[in-house]
Amino acid sequence: NAGVTQTPKFQVLKTGQSMTLQCAQDMNHNSMYWYRQDPGMGLRLIYYSASEGTTDKGEVPNGYNVSRLNKREFSLRLESAAPSQTSVYFCASSGDRVGNEQFFGPGTRLTVL
Amino acid sequence: QQPVQSPQAVILREGEDAVINCSSSKALYSVHWYRQKHGEAPVFLMILLKGGEQKGHDKISASFNEKKQQSSLYLTASQLSYSGTYFCGTEMAGNQFYFGTGTSLTVIP
Repeated sequence: NAGVTQTPKFQVLKTGQSMTLQCAQDMNHNSMYWYRQDPGMGLRLIYYSASEGTTDKGEVPNGYNVSRLNKREFSLRLESAAPSQTSVYFCASSGDRVGNEQFFGPGTRLTVL
Repeated sequence: QQPVQSPQAVILREGEDAVINCSSSKALYSVHWYRQKHGEAPVFLMILLKGGEQKGHDKISASFNEKKQQSSLYLTASQLSYSGTYFCGTEMAGNQFYFGTGTSLTVIP
């Protein structure tokens, strides 16, 4: 089992460019999450999906869109990247929304110039 | 909404004990604890559920005071491998989940 995989591992964008971060899990989990991690800020939830076909905003959704393509895959899109979106992005999955541990992917380090 | 962790940083010698605290202003369904090493993803340590159930690591213990919305993580007889940043995560009503800002733990020989 690969667990949670993310692509790409690193990305550099110019302001205004768009890109999609990909995430997939092979644990048959219902819930999936996108977080960003900035120095000193901990992990902040961008969007989550409690099940296939549903998505909900987290703490910092502005500037992002998500798609829960199927049970395995949950993508995060930046339509017009801004320097404030420079961060490390983690995808995670869990069995249910409440009371189950989250398994994290290795992260994507994104720099917006 | 974000839980408050204390202390922000702690340095221990091998074999010493540490306590990390997590406090929320909202009623909680559960508290999660994760450890993250530099440049890596967070790794699950423990979950404490409302009602007293716990799931997780057999060498790490934690408590959850539901009335005070507080949790503490107890690290005993620390080892070098315990070094990292510890995060609590809090689940609350409305499918909300927030991580704390983290506690940096350094264990030295």
